[in-house]
Order: sequence, then structure tokens, then C-alpha cells
Amino acid sequence: EVQLVESGGGLVQPGRSLRLSCAASGFTFDDYAMHWVRQAPGKGLEWVSGISWNSGSIGYADSVKGRFTISRDNAKNSLYLQMNSLRAEDTALYYCAKVLLRGRWLQPFDPWGQGTLVTVSS
Amino acid sequence: EIVLTQSPATLSLSPGERATLSCRASQSVSSYLAWYQQKPGQAPRLLIYDASNRATGIPARFSGSGSGTDFTLTISSLEPEDFAVYYCQQRSNWPPGLTFGPGTKVDIK
Repeated sequence: EVQLVESGGGLVQPGRSLRLSCAASGFTFDDYAMHWVRQAPGKGLEWVSGISWNSGSIGYADSVKGRFTISRDNAKNSLYLQMNSLRAEDTALYYCAKVLLRGRWLQPFDPWGQGTLVTVSS
Repeated sequence: EIVLTQSPATLSLSPGERATLSCRASQSVSSYLAWYQQKPGQAPRLLIYDASNRATGIPARFSGSGSGTDFTLTISSLEPEDFAVYYCQQRSNWPPGLTFGPGTKVDIK
């Protein structure tokens, strides 16, 4: 069974940094692209960032470009999101998601983790 | 950037009724359109990918259609567990990325 478990969320002051992690199991991690998606409280889904299986293709939403960095460690079956210069509007539940099929990094997501909550407030 | 619009924002129906949800793209996305279901307190679940392909384990009452800019998710006969929020999603090669629609909430009438 595929499992994705996010961690690293919490309360952080504006301007500070946070690093999220996603531990993957139940599939061959280095065969699949991975993504981060967030959901502000009571709002819809927003794609944040994605990375191909070999880190050769990476993309970011305009709202986080230059502040967030996605990475992965295939030896540790882990995905990361380094978040710098955090703002109040970054407050959200952050989901880690695996793409549906091997190959392209831009694909539908299946499945998703349960998310880790990031709250940016002074 | 491609923008997705979903309608209606809320759909109030009774169990057993047919639900028809719409997703419109600001420019053609070919067939690169997916649908997700999200229930309160849960992560989204993939229902449909590439406009009309059901994901593994998704009941046959869920179907997707469309191409280009206009897409539809149909639930043929609503079950109690189908009352949820539904999102469409497209993927774009340039600028590279994915976007979601604002969602349609299907609630009990």
C-alpha cells in the first residue's frame, strides 16, 4: 500500500523558514515524480511545486517562486520543501502527492498524503 | 496561464439524483484534465484522469467527458458518500505546472 506521511509543519513567524518532509513507502519512489499542494483553511487546492523522478525537471507556482525549494532524496524515499521568507498567506495544509504513472512529472496525483499544517503568524 | 472555472459553485441534490459538474478552461488543455473528490477532513482522491479515464477503484457511476476547453464530471446516481467537493485540474507544459479549479460543492438537498 502506498503511504505518504508529511511532517515538519508548525507555527512560524513571518519572514522565518520551515522545512517540510514527506516520507514515502509502498512503491518504488525513484520511479515517480512528486509534488506539493496546499490548501488554505476553508479554501481550494493550490499546486505549489513538483519534481521529476531524477530531479531533472522542477517547477513552482508563481506565488512561491524564489522563496520555496523542492528537493528529493531517492536513497531515503523522501521529498522535501524548504520554505523561506514565509508570509501569512502561506498558511495552509501542505499535502505531498505522488503522480499517477511513471514518466512525466506533470500528471494527475494519486495518492495524496494527509497533510501537515503550516501556520505563519506573529 | 490557463485558468479553470467550475460551475455551479454549489449543487444541491438528493441521493439517487444525477449530478452534472462543469469545468471550463481559458484555453485548450487537450484531454489533460483530471477530477478529484474531497470530503471534509480528508485528502483529495483522484476520480478521473485524461478527461474520461476512471482511476483505480472508482465506481462506474462516476464518468468524465470533454476535450479542449469544456469538460463534465457526471455522477449517474448519487450515493450518500458522494456528497463532497469536486475539483478539476489541468496540466500545462508552458509555463510548466498544474492548476486547479475553484471547486464545486455537492451537498444534500
